[in-house]
Amino acid sequence: DIVMTQSPDSLAVSLGERATINCKSSQSVLYSSNNKNYLAWYQQKPGQPPKLLIYWASTRESGVPDRFSGSGSGTDFSLTISSLQAEDVAVYYCHQHYSIPFTFGPGTKVDIK
Amino acid sequence: EVQLVESGGGLIQPGGSLRLSCAASGFTFSSFAMSWVRQAPGKGLEWVSVISGSGGETYYGVSVKGRFTISRDTSNNTLYLQMNSLRADDTAVYYCARGRSASSYAAIEYWGQGTLVTVSS
Repeated sequence: DIVMTQSPDSLAVSLGERATINCKSSQSVLYSSNNKNYLAWYQQKPGQPPKLLIYWASTRESGVPDRFSGSGSGTDFSLTISSLQAEDVAVYYCHQHYSIPFTFGPGTKVDIK
Repeated sequence: EVQLVESGGGLIQPGGSLRLSCAASGFTFSSFAMSWVRQAPGKGLEWVSVISGSGGETYYGVSVKGRFTISRDTSNNTLYLQMNSLRADDTAVYYCARGRSASSYAAIEYWGQGTLVTVSS
């Protein structure tokens, strides 16, 4: 099974500042046939279901603010919020859908400093 | 507008069975893979199962394989999860989710609000 790890477990950032979350997979999630990373990022606010932010590691979902960006390839990925807003307080999960069983990272909690 | 509405959750004794349903609307049901993802109280997300758009492929997480069965009914746009031999550690909110395409390997794009399953005597 592919194990997903995230760092840090939590972070507190001032409003308007940058927040970066790292995600590492125990095996590559890059599919050579189409050169795509099977890695997605989700945001989950309290009492709500997760929401897709990024797919293919770096493609922003329609309607997601452009302050959210994803990067990385192979086994190392990151999600960056360029200017943290109050509504971005949430838990963020990375998710690999490259190999069965699909797996999620443990989550990173983002708060306002 | 894509809508996914789960039902069927509740309190069940260990060893019992339960069937979850997910009514889908707002899209062509057979064109998209569908998944179940669960979240134990206060915990992270755990992938449970996926079924391809055609229904020809099904896959399961390690902890549920052999006990849970995913299926879909295109005639009434409904996804199911039959859960047998339930254990206390199956207690969770179960989310129905739609993929970005018919492929089982598509990223999950839309999520329902979830239904709570509690396994306890």
